[in-house]
Amino acid sequence: DAGVIQSPRHEVTEMGQEVTLRCKPISGHNSLFWYRQTMMRGLELLIYFNNNVPIDDSGMPEDRFSAKMPNASFSTLKIQPSEPRDSAVYFCASSPGPLGSGELFFGEGSRLTVL
Amino acid sequence: GENVEQHPSTLSVQEGDSAVIKCTYSDSASNYFPWYKQELGKRPQLIIDIRSNVGEKKDQRIAVTLNKTAKHFSLHITETQPEDSAVYFCAAKLGGNMLTFGGGTRLMVKP
Repeated sequence: DAGVIQSPRHEVTEMGQEVTLRCKPISGHNSLFWYRQTMMRGLELLIYFNNNVPIDDSGMPEDRFSAKMPNASFSTLKIQPSEPRDSAVYFCASSPGPLGSGELFFGEGSRLTVL
Repeated sequence: GENVEQHPSTLSVQEGDSAVIKCTYSDSASNYFPWYKQELGKRPQLIIDIRSNVGEKKDQRIAVTLNKTAKHFSLHITETQPEDSAVYFCAAKLGGNMLTFGGGTRLMVKP
C-alpha cells in the first residue's frame, strides 16, 4: 500500500482565495483525521470521520473551514476564503479497525502558505 | 476535554547519553498512549505505544513507562544517536478514536 496520500504537497495562494486539500486514506482504514500543525499551536485535530461520517468537528476553527468524505477512499478539506493565519502544514491521517484501535498513519502533509 | 502537557520543549544531549521526555494527561479515562517521532519536513510516525493495562514497554533503545495513578507517562531513549534528533510527540486517547497530542519536544543529539 502506498500509505496515506495527500495533495497538493505545497500550495501558495493569496488571501481570499479558496483552497482545497485532498486526502486518500489507506485502503480498509475506517477512520480519517485532519490535523493542522503550526509552530505556535503544535498538532491540532480539526475533524475526525468514521466510516465516512463526521464524528467530531469541534476542532474546525471557523465557518471558513469545511471537510467532506464522500466515500471511503477520498476526503477534502476546504478553506474559503483563506487568510494568512491559515498558513500551516495540514496532515491527513487514517487508522484501521473499530474505534479505539490505535495507530495513526499520517500522510506527507500539505504545506499551505497564504500571502 | 483531554489535555496533554509535554516537557521539556527542547532537549539537548550528548551522543550516547539518555534522553527522557515526560507527559501528563488530564482525563483518567484515557487508555492508550502513543509516541510519535517527526523528523524535519517529514510526517509524524509511531515509534512506540502503551496501553493502560501495562506499566512499561520496551523496544530496543526505546522504552515507555506509564503511571496511571499520577496520570503521567514518559519516553526513555538510551544510547542516543544523531539520527534520534527529531521532534517527539506524546499523545493520549479516550475510549473513542481521537488522539490529543502534547506540544512536542525537540531533541538534539550532539555527536
